[in-house]
Amino acid sequence: QKEVEQDPGPLSVPEGAIVSLNCTYSNSAFQYFMWYRQYSRKGPELLMYTYSSGNKEDGRFTAQVDKSSKYISLFIRDSQPSDSATYLCAMSGGTGGFKTIFGAGTRLFVKA
Amino acid sequence: DGGITQSPKYLFRKEGQNVTLSCEQNLNHDAMYWYRQDPGQGLRLIYYSQIVNDFQKGDIAEGYSVSREKKESFPLTVTSAQKNPTAFYLCASSNTASNQPQHFGDGTRLSIL
Repeated sequence: QKEVEQDPGPLSVPEGAIVSLNCTYSNSAFQYFMWYRQYSRKGPELLMYTYSSGNKEDGRFTAQVDKSSKYISLFIRDSQPSDSATYLCAMSGGTGGFKTIFGAGTRLFVKA
Repeated sequence: DGGITQSPKYLFRKEGQNVTLSCEQNLNHDAMYWYRQDPGQGLRLIYYSQIVNDFQKGDIAEGYSVSREKKESFPLTVTSAQKNPTAFYLCASSNTASNQPQHFGDGTRLSIL
């Protein structure tokens, strides 16, 4: 079993839709949770960074962490064609120390 | 602007050749990392360094080497021993204090001629 599981997609939605991206993980010791956005031929860009359980909102983006279920989500409201990218979840902390484990990424297409 | 610069953007390697990928950061981060990204797979850690003149192997270090002579620089050499080097290589950096997230450069795509 992989430490982090993420559906590769692709996920295709119409412009303006609410997008839900998810990851599950197996290591209950993880404490820090991140979402990165990666455009084609570019490096990942940090979108959201949260500690422990709960919600965090930044503009159209909301990150949720449910440590009891080992499940994290990223919601994108009013999705735009410019949101079309691959979204990587990542986590670190606990027994893994500072090392970060990345999901394989979900490819999102937002159609105009 | 602070950031991480990787060069070159594209690189081609001949059989039996070693090639070096450059990574420079001006974020004053202590830690630097090299990852390999293949289609459909998560980022795999090759090497990391938490301090100058010290580095550790990651999960897939065979066929690669690094150095960390300066805080700002962490070059990666892909040696001829790496039999499947074609991939997208990403360099990242972070502050090791308080588990700060990693920030990435824009990668180098390495291909075999």
